[in-house]
Amino acid sequence: EDQVTQSPEALRLQEGESSSLNCSYTVSGLRGLFWYRQDPGKGPEFLFTLYSAGEEKEKERLKATLTKKESFLHITAPKPEDSATYLCAGMDSSASKIIFGSGTRLSIRP
Amino acid sequence: DAGVIQSPRHEVTEMGQEVTLRCKPISGHDYLFWYRQTMMRGLELLIYFNNNVPIDDSGMPEDRFSAKMPNASFSTLKIQPSEPRDSAVYFCASSLGNQPQHFGDGTRLSIL
Repeated sequence: EDQVTQSPEALRLQEGESSSLNCSYTVSGLRGLFWYRQDPGKGPEFLFTLYSAGEEKEKERLKATLTKKESFLHITAPKPEDSATYLCAGMDSSASKIIFGSGTRLSIRP
Repeated sequence: DAGVIQSPRHEVTEMGQEVTLRCKPISGHDYLFWYRQTMMRGLELLIYFNNNVPIDDSGMPEDRFSAKMPNASFSTLKIQPSEPRDSAVYFCASSLGNQPQHFGDGTRLSIL
């Protein structure tokens, strides 16, 4: 069964304290790995797509990487406005349906 | 550009009542997805459409749930009769082919 698992469930950091979020997946015929950000009361907002092992994408303080079994979202020198839930999702071989992980709630203290 | 538009944003109703959630996808997108989000189960795919045709409804919990897409710019998710365990946030998303999905801001549904 296709599955996406994220860890940790919650992470509290001090402003400026860098860290990484993990997403491990078992999705047959993975066609893409997505990262989304979700703020309270809002829908998930697309951040990155990764298609193949070794690929990296960056946006401001965020960098996403992909291996054959997992993906990481690295956060460098985070700010309070980076506080949100970060969701990882894998696209299966149908190339249309994606399976979401349960998310990591990130809190950045000033 | 207008994003995915969902209505209503909030719905509170009593058990047994019919509930209809509405979604307008992004113009030109050919896929539409309905999700349900709860603290316990996270974000679950209920059903998705391609070119207005339902492709996979295996996530629909039971026969009380139904979804339609009469045209490319409108979809509904209906629950009849509603039960307290249906309380959740329901999201609609759309995409073009296998490009990333774009989400609406959801409907927060409370069944009393």
